[in-house]
Amino acid sequence: DAKTTQPPSMDCAEGRAANLPCNHSTISGNEYVYWYRQIHSQGPQYIIHGLKNNETNEMASLIITEDRKSSTLILPHATLRDTAVYYCIVRATSGGSNYKLTFGKGTLLTVNP
Amino acid sequence: DAGITQSPRHKVTETGTPVTLRCHQTENHRYMYWYRQDPGHGLRLIHYSYGVKDTDKGEVSDGYSVSRSKTEDFLLTLESATSSQTSVYFCAISESRVAEEVLAKNIQYFGAGTRLSVL
Repeated sequence: DAKTTQPPSMDCAEGRAANLPCNHSTISGNEYVYWYRQIHSQGPQYIIHGLKNNETNEMASLIITEDRKSSTLILPHATLRDTAVYYCIVRATSGGSNYKLTFGKGTLLTVNP
Repeated sequence: DAGITQSPRHKVTETGTPVTLRCHQTENHRYMYWYRQDPGHGLRLIHYSYGVKDTDKGEVSDGYSVSRSKTEDFLLTLESATSSQTSVYFCAISESRVAEEVLAKNIQYFGAGTRLSVL
């Protein structure tokens, strides 16, 4: 699985868009980008995933650069409840017997009132 | 929490006693997982199951055993608890449908966690 790099922390004002970057410069053609988050004392929560096209769901948007070496998770209108650690994970489509999701250190997003 | 119930949510036990944690799902998902989360280590996979009575070891399986006699239940047992097993334990599930097999294992839904303290 490709290595990812995320800033350790970010701040965002409530109601504004939160843009969380992730660098995955060694990503290969068969690897998807996944985003999860973990709110304090809760289990991780799947947010969104993508291969090369931009994706949007009810929680967020995922923008992947054309060369696929980086991506940005966008929370369009951040609320206080979006304060969490956000994890960017890159995984191959052919996982074989590798079932383990590897969560790095992620980005602590703090949404301020 | 995607139809996942972990029980108990909190437990305090003594070293040397057996402990069983239960994960119950109502989603009829094929895959189930047990992770532990500790400061400085992130989430680590203990065991996983890819079907009824089909289980395998993860990266930190020593001291743990699992059983899955029904699709909906995945049990994690600490045969003789040690202080190093004090942790927060998370169960996760994922679906497997033929057309989405390659994605199934990577989209996991987690339970609320069990906080275990071994004294």
